[in-house]
Amino acid sequence: RKEVEQDPGPFNVPEGATVAFNCTYSNSASQSFFWYRQDCRKEPKLLMSVYSSGNEDGRFTAQLNRASQYISLLIRDSKLSDSATYLCVVNENNNDMRFGAGTRLTVKP
Amino acid sequence: NAGVTQTPKFQVLKTGQSMTLQCAQDMNHNSMYWYRQDPGMGLRLIYYSASEGTTDKGEVPNGYNVSRLNKREFSLRLESAAPSQTSVYFCASSEGGGENIQYFGAGTRLSVL
Repeated sequence: RKEVEQDPGPFNVPEGATVAFNCTYSNSASQSFFWYRQDCRKEPKLLMSVYSSGNEDGRFTAQLNRASQYISLLIRDSKLSDSATYLCVVNENNNDMRFGAGTRLTVKP
Repeated sequence: NAGVTQTPKFQVLKTGQSMTLQCAQDMNHNSMYWYRQDPGMGLRLIYYSASEGTTDKGEVPNGYNVSRLNKREFSLRLESAAPSQTSVYFCASSEGGGENIQYFGAGTRLSVL
């Protein structure tokens, strides 16, 4: 079983749609959680950290459910520029970051 | 502001050849990392250096060696390249501890024939 599992997609949505991605992790002792964005043939870049209380950054909302070991990312009012692969990342201990394989999103006009 | 710089960007090797991937960061970060990314898989940690003078194995260290030359630089060496090492390699750095947010270089695309 992979440590971090994501639906690979692809998710194809029209501009303006709301889309949600899910991620599950296997290590209950994991300490911190993130969503990274990776554009085609580019490096991953931090989108947002994920906190137990849930957090929002503009059109993006992240949620963490420690009991279910589940992380989600909600994107509202999708833009063409949101097209990318979204990586769920779990910090199992200070230097052991585990990456999901990513969920690919394409936003179409 | 350069952030994390990797060289080279592309490399083609023959089986058995050796090479070193270079990485430098200008953010005064304590920790540095080397990952590989293969299609359909998440990034996998090869080696990391929590601080200058220390290195530790990650999830997939076999076939690789690393050197933390100083606080800024962390190199990855393939002593005898194999086709299974064809991948995209990313270097990252972080302040370490706490949230451990990592910042990535642009990657090195390596093909081993």
